[in-house]
Amino acid sequence: DAGITQSPRHKVTETGTPVTLRCHQTENHRYMYWYRQDPGHGLRLIHYSYGVKDTDKGEVSDGYSVSRSKTEDFLLTLESATSSQTSVYFCAIKSGQGIYNEQFFGPGTRLTVL
Amino acid sequence: AQTVTQSQPEMSVQEAETVTLSCTYDTSESDYYLFWYKQPPSRQMILVIRQEAYKQQNATENRFSVNFQKAAKSFSLKISDSQLGDAAMYFCAYRSAKMGGNKLVFGAGTILRVKS
Repeated sequence: DAGITQSPRHKVTETGTPVTLRCHQTENHRYMYWYRQDPGHGLRLIHYSYGVKDTDKGEVSDGYSVSRSKTEDFLLTLESATSSQTSVYFCAIKSGQGIYNEQFFGPGTRLTVL
Repeated sequence: AQTVTQSQPEMSVQEAETVTLSCTYDTSESDYYLFWYKQPPSRQMILVIRQEAYKQQNATENRFSVNFQKAAKSFSLKISDSQLGDAAMYFCAYRSAKMGGNKLVFGAGTILRVKS
């Protein structure tokens, strides 16, 4: 499982509240990613990080922010949750070098915004 | 921008038989990687197989093999001797080989049901 944990695993919240999801890895990987999974869309990249304090946007970044203050933790924040952000969120890391790198995924967080 | 299309929302196969899942993609790049991921009901994403675009030989991993047709931009997954444990959602994914090409682009997925 590449040593990736996500917390919480399930969360129900109300529209307009802030939410922070945490991804934690134990193997010192430089690259970390946040994806969301929705029916009919597969997984889509929200944000990714290529080092401490180095982040960049993915294709569905509106309404989300991220932070990475240390190598092992990558936080995803919904500043003011909306019902359209109800989804399953996956964290991933990139492992390996050069052409042999792969992305490995955490167990996912199911978020429901009422 | 690259896109990945899985045209089969659901497929069924009898246990011990063979099934093929389809995937097509669109890109202007010549060097890239293609992947199939399996997502069982546990929700865990599991890498099944990968293919480098510069390799003509189709990748195989035990009962899983691909048919990579670069000119047609097609990347199908064949599962031989299907087992009940193969029942899952399968995602096809694309990744650029460019430096910084970190993003995986996924198809919408195909649900595979295995009948006993």
